[in-house]
Amino acid sequence: DQQVKQNSPSLSVQEGRISILNCDYTNSMFDYFLWYKKYPAEGPTFLISISSIKDKNEDGRFTVFLNKSAKHLSLHIVPSQPGDSAVYFCAASANSGGSNYKLTFGKGTLLTVNP
Amino acid sequence: DAMVIQNPRYQVTQFGKPVTLSCSQTLNHNVMYWYQQKSSQAPKLLFHYYDKDFNNEADTPDNFQSRRPNTSFCFLDIRSPGLGDAAMYLCATSRGSSVVYNEQFFGPGTRLTVL
Repeated sequence: DQQVKQNSPSLSVQEGRISILNCDYTNSMFDYFLWYKKYPAEGPTFLISISSIKDKNEDGRFTVFLNKSAKHLSLHIVPSQPGDSAVYFCAASANSGGSNYKLTFGKGTLLTVNP
Repeated sequence: DAMVIQNPRYQVTQFGKPVTLSCSQTLNHNVMYWYQQKSSQAPKLLFHYYDKDFNNEADTPDNFQSRRPNTSFCFLDIRSPGLGDAAMYLCATSRGSSVVYNEQFFGPGTRLTVL
């Protein structure tokens, strides 16, 4: 049972345009959400996060939006650059029960930014 | 730079021949994780150490074992690798429940091939 779902395996956008990557979750106990970026032959690197007390978090070209009622979050990249081409993983954790250090990952979305 | 290091980056073993993957960290984090990731799949948590306490995921096969001799090092032992164990193995660390929100920091991974 997938608790974190990234329903788009891949996304292709033009350089300079907006990239929107989506993530849905089913576990209502999740209260912290992270996005990781992964290049081939490298481990995932942390990109941006958001706690459930917020609905938006921004860091430079990257913004994450959280819609708790819909159990949906999205990562916006504006403007997209060819170097952003990578696999993006959505992950979630639940602070209750002392397990806030365990993450549940989605399958990832391959973003390709075309020059 | 503080980091998570995995050795080797690529490992080839024969069916049934034991293999050990290693991970070290300079972050002084409490928690160390081992994930298995197969192509187009989410990273799958195998187990983690919180300090010296070992925590196995319920669906991790007995074929997989781990050791953490000290804070810095953690090993993944595969006692009798099968063809289905070919995957990328990712090591990660985090501070643990001493902080409210945990990021995990990943190493570059070890690509295991089983012949």
